[in-house]
Amino acid sequence: DSGVTQTPKHLITATGQRVTLRCSPRSGDLSVYWYQQSLDQGLQFLIQYYNGEERAKGNILERFSAQQFPDLHSELNLSSLELGDSALYFCASSAGTSGGPGDTQYFGPGTRLTVL
Amino acid sequence: EDKVVQSPLSLVVHEGDTVTLNCSYEVTNFRSLLWYKQEKKAPTFLFMLTSSGIEKKSGRLSSILDKKELFSILNITATQTGDSAIYLCAVFEAGNNRKLIWGLGTSLAVNP
Repeated sequence: DSGVTQTPKHLITATGQRVTLRCSPRSGDLSVYWYQQSLDQGLQFLIQYYNGEERAKGNILERFSAQQFPDLHSELNLSSLELGDSALYFCASSAGTSGGPGDTQYFGPGTRLTVL
Repeated sequence: EDKVVQSPLSLVVHEGDTVTLNCSYEVTNFRSLLWYKQEKKAPTFLFMLTSSGIEKKSGRLSSILDKKELFSILNITATQTGDSAIYLCAVFEAGNNRKLIWGLGTSLAVNP
C-alpha cells in the first residue's frame, strides 16, 4: 500500500459524459501527478500540481482539467468522453518537485475508466 | 525530443534464470532515473539512481546507472514466478517543465 488513494476503482460511462476522478496523496506529500495508461501507449503524463498550483503539463487534452484543493487532494475532470478515453488513470504523489532522492513518486491503485 | 527506450519489449524465462533489462535515455536535463515494477495494478517503486557506477540493491534485484553512455540496467537473479510483471523505467527531466519521461516497459514472464 503506497498511501495514495484513488476513487472510484472502476467507472463505466457513455460517450459524451463527464466524470471526476479523485486522488488523495500520501500524508505530507505536496505534489500530485496524473497519468493515463492505455494498452497501446504506456504511461502518459497528464498534469502535475504542487501545493495547489499547476506545476507541469504533459499530454493533457483540452477536454480534461484538474485541480488540487487546499487539503491537497486532487480531482481530474474528464468531459465529452470518447471511446478512446478508456484507460487506467493513475494518480501519484511525491514530497516535492526536485525529482531527486527523497522525492520519489508513489502511485495510487488507479481508476479504470470504460467509455461505452 | 526527450525519450526513454527500454529493451527488450518482452521476455520469457524459466525460474532460476538471471535477466538483465535495459533502459537507455536521451534527456536534456537529467535529474534521476527510476525503476518501477507493475503487476496487475499500480507501478511500485524499485530504485532511484542519480549517480553513475553506484549499484543499488534490494534482495535479488540490482540496478546501476551509466550517465556517460546514458543507460541503466536492472538485474534480477534467481528469478521467481512472482517476478513476472512489467518493469518500467522513467527519467526525471529537471528543466522548466519538470516531469518523469517514461519508457514503454519490459514485460517479463517467469515460467515455473
